Amino acid sequence: EAQVTQNPRYLITVTGKKLTVTCSQNMNHEYMSWYRQDPGLGLRQIYYSMNVEVTDKGDVPEGYKVSRKEKRNFPLILESPSPNQTSLYFCASSRNRNEQFFGPGTRLTVL
Amino acid sequence: AQSVTQLGSHVSVSEGALVLLRCNYSSSVPPYLFWYVQYPNQGLQLLLKYTSAATLVKGINGFEAEFKKSETSFHLTKPSAHMSDAAEYFCAVSASSGTYKYIFGTGTRLKVLA
Repeated sequence: EAQVTQNPRYLITVTGKKLTVTCSQNMNHEYMSWYRQDPGLGLRQIYYSMNVEVTDKGDVPEGYKVSRKEKRNFPLILESPSPNQTSLYFCASSRNRNEQFFGPGTRLTVL
Repeated sequence: AQSVTQLGSHVSVSEGALVLLRCNYSSSVPPYLFWYVQYPNQGLQLLLKYTSAATLVKGINGFEAEFKKSETSFHLTKPSAHMSDAAEYFCAVSASSGTYKYIFGTGTRLKVLA
């Protein structure tokens, strides 16, 4: 089954404790992206990757890091999480500029 | 640069009535345009897309949208609302060349009244 998977689905952590949210897709898509969804703000793009070893900033990259060492994986790293990073995070993948396939989301709470 | 504006954060319609969700965009290059739907506690799934082919685009679940370049609009419609259409809808734009950024609107929550 074609899908985008994210782990964990739910995470509660404390300020400053490094964390990684994993994202994996099995569709051989070149393009992958991370978004955060906040009430009233819609989805905002954090980082995106056009292919292996090629990443670029979206609209809200501050406080986040990504890497794309393999085509199927695109982890999101929060080196020192803060409460304002409490949000619902989505990973997505697509073939070039076409429609994106979204993962189920990761709900992160930073205390 | 691209941007998307969705007019109306909440829209209510009666079951069987016309659904109209508005989306206006701006783009310095020819855009690709998308409508996504999000049901509670789920990710987003594609309803329909415009990628410079036919201006009237038909999607899943009876939805359609028309690309109007002169009005910079891509409004989503459905002739007859069903209770199962209650969800949040997002319009999104990306450029057909240059940057690979995706820009989403702030979303419209559709409520269907019995």
